[in-house]
Amino acid sequence: SSELTQDPAVSVALGQTVRITCQGDSLRSYYASWYQQKPGQAPVLVIYGKNNRPSGIPDRFSGSSSGNTASLTITGAQAEDEADYYCNSRDSSGNLHYVFGTGTKVTVL
Amino acid sequence: EVQLVESGGGLVQPGRSLRLSCAASGFTFDDYAMHWVRQAPGKGLEWVSGISWNSGSIGYADSVKGRFTISRDNAKNSLYLQMNSLRAEDTALYYCAKAEFDPWGQGTLVTVSS
Repeated sequence: SSELTQDPAVSVALGQTVRITCQGDSLRSYYASWYQQKPGQAPVLVIYGKNNRPSGIPDRFSGSSSGNTASLTITGAQAEDEADYYCNSRDSSGNLHYVFGTGTKVTVL
Repeated sequence: EVQLVESGGGLVQPGRSLRLSCAASGFTFDDYAMHWVRQAPGKGLEWVSGISWNSGSIGYADSVKGRFTISRDNAKNSLYLQMNSLRAEDTALYYCAKAEFDPWGQGTLVTVSS
């Protein structure tokens, strides 16, 4: 099965921009989705498809992809964006197989 | 409003079985695939299993294949995970999630320990 690799932690100053990356072979074939998870809460979808935001997700969240790397960008990070972020995608090993990234802890300074 | 409510977690001895349930409401359940995802304490997310709307397509993570069985009852708007031969490393918060993992339930905790 595939693996998706993320940097363990990144920090960003309040109001600045941060990009989180996700690398894996499956991303050459499938788009990544991104999930935000705050302590003690279930994950929440923030980006899916080419660059789509579910209703209620601020437009400071955006996604992009190139080759085997997907990225989530937070433009103008807010204190409430401090959370763990996970990517995921379909896994080429079979239908209805998925894989999650290792997760990135985002700290807003 | 879409709601997913997991139940059935608890403390179980290694080698024993447990069945998780996920009650869905607020959407047409039999239109969507469903998934189980778990998160060990202090760790990341791990996809466990997925099932298509009509149970015609099912997938499992290698770590649970042969031990866990996913199923659904569209008449009851419910998703299930039968977990057999449980191991300590199966200890986690188990979430159910709709379709493309949106939304998620709040999870049910499974602890495998003697």
